[in-house]
Amino acid sequence: AQTVTQSQPEMSVQEAETVTLSCTYDTSESDYYLFWYKQPPSRQMILVIRQEAYKQQNATENRFSVNFQKAAKSFSLKISDSQLGDAAMYFCAYRSPPPFYTGANSKLTFGKGITLSVRP
Amino acid sequence: DAGITQSPRHKVTETGTPVTLRCHQTENHRYMYWYRQDPGHGLRLIHYSYGVKDTDKGEVSDGYSVSRSKTEDFLLTLESATSSQTSVYFCAIREDRDYGYTFGSGTRLTVV
Repeated sequence: AQTVTQSQPEMSVQEAETVTLSCTYDTSESDYYLFWYKQPPSRQMILVIRQEAYKQQNATENRFSVNFQKAAKSFSLKISDSQLGDAAMYFCAYRSPPPFYTGANSKLTFGKGITLSVRP
Repeated sequence: DAGITQSPRHKVTETGTPVTLRCHQTENHRYMYWYRQDPGHGLRLIHYSYGVKDTDKGEVSDGYSVSRSKTEDFLLTLESATSSQTSVYFCAIREDRDYGYTFGSGTRLTVV
């Protein structure tokens, strides 16, 4: 079974600075998807960024970027120019693609999350 | 954007009572999921569905059942609630084209 590990339960960053959140995963598959979700105090789960394993280029979404190291099974999230609104819990998640033409499902497996605080 | 709503948003119930949580979607997505979120555990999959009347268990399914009689509704039932089922419950859908998941706003359930 796939596992996702977020070893740091909490992190803190100064406003306008850069912070990196770590995530490792374990899988025997070669093709899969990785995600970072943000959960602010409102409780809503918000997709921040997605990476396909077959793509070597690291995904980027505005101030958010990832460092995807497939061989090391590492998927870290970098937040640049941190803002107060970035304060939230962040979850790393893994998903394998469904087999073609079978209709079989695949499921999202989450890490335990990391709480990010932003200091003004 | 996929329209997904959960009800109720909050519920307090007594140990031993049955509870049903509802997830409703408006865009006919095939795949729907129920997760629970607990401190120190992240989100864990309870049950999922891949079509009307097609459901399967996730990693923490004991004490829960689900039903999907219509594409738009996915119900999670706690037959006899226990204090260990106090949690925040999330419903999610998978938007088939891009494999993204969209989550509902969650239901906070407290079993006293």
